[in-house]
Amino acid sequence: GNSVTQMEGPVTLSEEAFLTINCTYTATGYPSLFWYVQYPGEGLQLLLKATKADDKGSNKGFEATYRKETTSFHLEKGSVQVSDSAVYFCALRKGNNFNKFYFGSGTKLNVKP
Amino acid sequence: DAGVTQSPTHLIKTRGQQVTLRCSPKSGHDTVSWYQQALGQGPQFIFQYYEEEERQRGNFPDRFSGHQFPNYSSELNVNALLLGDSALYLCASSNQGTGGNNQPQHFGDGTRLSIL
Repeated sequence: GNSVTQMEGPVTLSEEAFLTINCTYTATGYPSLFWYVQYPGEGLQLLLKATKADDKGSNKGFEATYRKETTSFHLEKGSVQVSDSAVYFCALRKGNNFNKFYFGSGTKLNVKP
Repeated sequence: DAGVTQSPTHLIKTRGQQVTLRCSPKSGHDTVSWYQQALGQGPQFIFQYYEEEERQRGNFPDRFSGHQFPNYSSELNVNALLLGDSALYLCASSNQGTGGNNQPQHFGDGTRLSIL
């Protein structure tokens, strides 16, 4: 079946530290991969996406590369800010015509000043 | 341009009751998906509606049902509520009509349902 596994949190970093949040997936074929971010009391916001192998998604200093050989889509940021504190979800989308999303369990990031 | 809107924002029910949650998709979107997000977990796919029909369904019992209206808005109905139904219910919309698989989903802020 299709599934996403994320590293467990919380992840606590100091401002300007380097961030990596690991994500691996299980899927047949060629899913699209996404990172979503959820701030307290809000829904999910799309952070970045990649639709085929070796694609790099990037947004707001975050980036992730679709690695089919390792079935991974790790999220990275070179220098985190306090405002990056949130829960990050890795997700894959499968389906030919009516796509269906599968989410990981989320990784909470706390950034301290 | 309004995004995805959900109502109500919070709801408290008791076991055995029935509930209806509502969602208006982002302008220009024609597909609505519903997710259940338990505390500390990722969203779990419930079902998806397009052209007023249920197109895909996750592993949820028949107590969970839905509807899509001609204006693309949608309702999620849950019957015979259980304590375990307490969760944040998220609605997401997308546009199936233009390159469906390459279109991301836009999420609403959710309805927090608490079962006593």
